[in-house]
Amino acid sequence: GQNIDQPTEMTATEGAIVQINCTYQTSGFNGLFWYQQHAGEAPTFLSYNVLDGLEEKGRFSSFLSRSKGYSYLLLKELQMKDSASYLCAVRDSNYQLIWGAGTKLIIKP
Amino acid sequence: IAGITQAPTSQILAAGRRMTLRCTQDMRHNAMYWYRQDLGLGLRLIHYSNTAGTTGKGEVPDGYSVSRANTDDFPLTLASAVPSQTSVYFCASSESSGGGYNEQFFGPGTRLTVL
Repeated sequence: GQNIDQPTEMTATEGAIVQINCTYQTSGFNGLFWYQQHAGEAPTFLSYNVLDGLEEKGRFSSFLSRSKGYSYLLLKELQMKDSASYLCAVRDSNYQLIWGAGTKLIIKP
Repeated sequence: IAGITQAPTSQILAAGRRMTLRCTQDMRHNAMYWYRQDLGLGLRLIHYSNTAGTTGKGEVPDGYSVSRANTDDFPLTLASAVPSQTSVYFCASSESSGGGYNEQFFGPGTRLTVL
């Protein structure tokens, strides 16, 4: 079967750095996405990785290791508005997205 | 209209009733998707359409049907609603159904309760 694993919940302090991990086992791999979802809202796109390595986008970076079936999302200089759920999704061999259950990130002042 | 709209925003429905959730996008995207999101579970694909005139089944299609008569609209119909269909439903679209960056854009969602 196909599986995406992420921690259910994480807590971090405003101004700090947090790393959210995602491991996957899917039938094929055609890219990995990270989305942000605030409570009661729609998911919004954050990042895309298809090759191994780090992609940086302002305060957010995403890393991929295809051989390990592993990705992480790194958030720097945390702000209260970063309190949200972070969803990891893998595009499989059928070009469909398989989604993790999401990691709820709580930011404390 | 900018992006994707969904209607209604929320709905309470009696079991056994028929219901259509509407989705419209103005980005001229070829591919569209319907997901349901339940607490503790990831988004699950119900049905998808790679281009106008074609549709396909996702992970959880039973009890749902879709049509794609044109590029912009992708309605989802529950023929006879059951309580297990209580969920938040998201419509999404992407430029194409292939690889590459091609991220999915999501509508605001419909919160459906079946009693």
